[in-house]
Amino acid sequence: GENVEQHPSTLSVQEGDSAVIKCTYSDSASNYFPWYKQELGKRPQLIIDIRSNVGEKKDQRIAVTLNKTAKHFSLHITETQPEDSAVYFCAASRSGTYKYIFGTGTRLKVLA
Amino acid sequence: NAGVTQTPKFQVLKTGQSMTLQCAQDMNHEYMSWYRQDPGMGLRLIHYSVGAGITDQGEVPNGYNVSRSTTEDFPLRLLSAAPSQTSVYFCASTGGSTGELFFGEGSRLTVL
Repeated sequence: GENVEQHPSTLSVQEGDSAVIKCTYSDSASNYFPWYKQELGKRPQLIIDIRSNVGEKKDQRIAVTLNKTAKHFSLHITETQPEDSAVYFCAASRSGTYKYIFGTGTRLKVLA
Repeated sequence: NAGVTQTPKFQVLKTGQSMTLQCAQDMNHEYMSWYRQDPGMGLRLIHYSVGAGITDQGEVPNGYNVSRSTTEDFPLRLLSAAPSQTSVYFCASTGGSTGELFFGEGSRLTVL
């Protein structure tokens, strides 16, 4: 069945450094790749997404890259701040199916 | 708009008891889904629905039932609770062209 692997499971960075989280998906028909941020005790919320017709997307300090050939996509956070500390989830789906498969999450800690 | 509303927020059950987690959305979204979140396991899809009268199984459907009689409501039923069903449950919906999932606040269920 469909599977999304996410690494690392935990990541600690110094404030101001960059953080990179990587995901690999198994379903080659997947064409929509969102990233969700979940703060402690809160619900997951969408922070950025990318579709398969685009290789990279950027929104201020956050960027996502997609390599369809390798079935990899990554989240890049630059100039990290303490408020970036949270659990981040990647997901994959086929447009129109609305069936989202999530990775196992990365706990990011930004050290002041 | 209230968005996605889940009840109850907390529930303790004994093994073998049954209960229903309620989920309602007021955004006229076609797609609704239930996830469970366990430490180190990410968000796993239990059941989903692409419209009233249509439901399908996700990654971990055993022990759970759903129905979708209206666009707004998507209850999750535990027929005979087991300790393995101790988890945090999230309901989510989407309906726009963006594909963004809107999550409820979550329901923490403990089965003794």
